[in-house]
Amino acid sequence: KAGVTQTPRYLIKTRGQQVTLSCSPISGHRSVSWYQQTPGQGLQFLFEYFSETQRNKGNFPGRFSGRQFSNSRSEMNVSTLELGDSALYLCASSLGGGYQPQHFGDGTRLSIL
Amino acid sequence: GIQVEQSPPDLILQEGANSTLRCNFSDSVNNLQWFHQNPWGQLINLFYIPSGTKQNGRLSATTVATERYSLLYISSSQTTDSGVYFCAVEGVTGGGNKLTFGTGTQLKVEL
Repeated sequence: KAGVTQTPRYLIKTRGQQVTLSCSPISGHRSVSWYQQTPGQGLQFLFEYFSETQRNKGNFPGRFSGRQFSNSRSEMNVSTLELGDSALYLCASSLGGGYQPQHFGDGTRLSIL
Repeated sequence: GIQVEQSPPDLILQEGANSTLRCNFSDSVNNLQWFHQNPWGQLINLFYIPSGTKQNGRLSATTVATERYSLLYISSSQTTDSGVYFCAVEGVTGGGNKLTFGTGTQLKVEL
C-alpha cells in the first residue's frame, strides 16, 4: 500500500508570492491534516479536512488555506508569503473516524527568500 | 489547549545502551502516538497507544492514561535510532484528527 505522498519535496519562493502544496493520502483514508514544523515553534497543527470539509482548524492566519477533493487528495495554499513561513510542511492521513492513528508524508520543505 | 511535555530534551547514548523517554500530558486523551523523525525530516509512526503497553522489536511503549503519561523504551540502541522522538496527543474534546506535539527528545547514539 502506498504511503502518503507530498509534492513537491522542495520549494523556493520569494516574499509576497503564493504557493500550493499537494498531498495524496493513503488509499482508503478520508481525513487529511496539515502541520507546520519550524525550529522555533515545533510542530503545529494547521487544519484538517474530511469529506471535502474543513473539520478542524489551528491558530494560523487566513493566508493559510486548504481544500480537499472528492478523491481525498488535499492542497494547501499560502498567500502573500513571509520569511517566517519558511518551514517543513507535513501532511498526515487517517481513516477519518476521529481519534485514529495518523500517517505522515515526507513533507515539503519551503524556503522563502 | 492540551499541553505535552517530553523529557529529557537531549540524550546521548553509547550503542547497545537502553533508554526511557517520557511524555506527560495535561488532560485526558483519546489518541497518543510516538513518532521518530529521522535526519531527513521523515516522521515515522512508532506506536499508536492511547492506553496500555505495546512492543515492536527493540521498542516498547506504555501509556498510563489515568496518570497522564506515556513512556517509550529503547533497548540495545543502534546508531540508526538517532533522531528526534515526538509524542503527540489528541484530547477528548478534539473532535477530529488534531494532534498536539511535544517538543521532542533529541537522541544521539554513538559507536
